Amino acid sequence: GENVEQHPSTLSVQEGDSAVIKCTYSDSASNYFPWYKQELGKRPQLIIDIRSNVGEKKDQRIAVTLNKTAKHFSLHITETQPEDSAVYFCAASTNTGNQFYFGTGTSLTVIP
Amino acid sequence: GAVVSQHPSWVICKSGTSVKIECRSLDFQATTMFWYRQFPKQSLMLMATSNEGSKATYEQGVEKDKFLINHASLTLSTLTVTSAHPEDSSFYICSALRDVNEKLFFGSGTQLSVL
Repeated sequence: GENVEQHPSTLSVQEGDSAVIKCTYSDSASNYFPWYKQELGKRPQLIIDIRSNVGEKKDQRIAVTLNKTAKHFSLHITETQPEDSAVYFCAASTNTGNQFYFGTGTSLTVIP
Repeated sequence: GAVVSQHPSWVICKSGTSVKIECRSLDFQATTMFWYRQFPKQSLMLMATSNEGSKATYEQGVEKDKFLINHASLTLSTLTVTSAHPEDSSFYICSALRDVNEKLFFGSGTQLSVL
């Protein structure tokens, strides 16, 4: 089955700096890669996703890159703000969408 | 946007009682719903995959007789924790798959405390 690894587990950045979270996957059949943000005690929220037919996607301060050959994808947050502090999860899924495999999460802290 | 409602958000029960948690997709039909358990500061642990009209598929190590899942309609799945014990105390969260674009959306979670 699919195995998704996520690094780092914790990340602290100064406000205004960039944050990068990386994930790798093992199943070449995976073709959909969403990222979720989870604040303490709340539900994971979909913040950005990418499908395997594109290499990069950007939405304001958030971007995701995908390298299918190397089987890794990354979340980039620029100009970080304190409200970006949360746990971020990556995930991988196949065409059928019936299985989502999650990374172990990254706790991001943005220091004002 | 896609909305997934989960109730109750917080429940306290006595050991030995059963608790039912509901997960509803409010503005879309979800043929597949997932149930997770999450411990503090840890990732989502998939418990089972629930498909409308069929039996749930449980992950290894999850007791199907203890965690009863019913997915009777395209908008509702329920998780019943039977004969709850303190070790079942956890944050339970559901998600629903919106088939149109295969995006996954999460419920708000249920914090279960078993005394």
